[in-house]
Amino acid sequence: DAGITQSPRHKVTETGTPVTLRCHQTENHRYMYWYRQDPGHGLRLIHYSYGVKDTDKGEVSDGYSVSRSKTEDFLLTLESATSSQTSVYFCAIATGGSYNEQFFGPGTRLTVL
Amino acid sequence: GNSVTQMEGPVTLSEEAFLTINCTYTATGYPSLFWYVQYPGEGLQLLLKATKADDKGSNKGFEATYRKETTSFHLEKGSVQVSDSAVYFCALSDLATSGSARQLTFGSGTQLTVLP
Repeated sequence: DAGITQSPRHKVTETGTPVTLRCHQTENHRYMYWYRQDPGHGLRLIHYSYGVKDTDKGEVSDGYSVSRSKTEDFLLTLESATSSQTSVYFCAIATGGSYNEQFFGPGTRLTVL
Repeated sequence: GNSVTQMEGPVTLSEEAFLTINCTYTATGYPSLFWYVQYPGEGLQLLLKATKADDKGSNKGFEATYRKETTSFHLEKGSVQVSDSAVYFCALSDLATSGSARQLTFGSGTQLTVLP
């Protein structure tokens, strides 16, 4: 257990509303990630962070922003949610030699109507 | 760019059958390779990994060997159980753009159902 929690675990929202998902870790890991999981696509990287205030884009970053103001929290924001952002969102942290292994949180199921 | 291709599912087996889930990859450099498992309603769990050519990862009776010559990392288990029913993801890890971070590229997943 890498001490990762995500909140909320489920959310239903309407198109055009802002949404923020939170990832919290308890073990002071440097690297944190946000992925989305969709049928037929596996998991795809949205954004990642390599330190406080240090973030970069992943494969599917359009429509998403992130912030990391302290080590333990990594926030994912949908500024104006769209139906195409209906998905399951997973946060992960990296551990292991060369930060090679990633461990995942329980996920947030987001539905945009 | 990097990519991972898994055999399409779903795969349905009887208990105690032999399992193979094929995984091939395309990557520059020398990525690390992983298998993750996702049980219904849960997040992904790391099942096994291999960090260099000819390494064999193993865990819970599952095995996979990093084959550089065929760019493959097939998952095998000699005798599956009903409790192995889950979705299995093959993934590779390589350097991301910034901060010496590494990023995972996943296959699309293979649903395994084991019948008693």
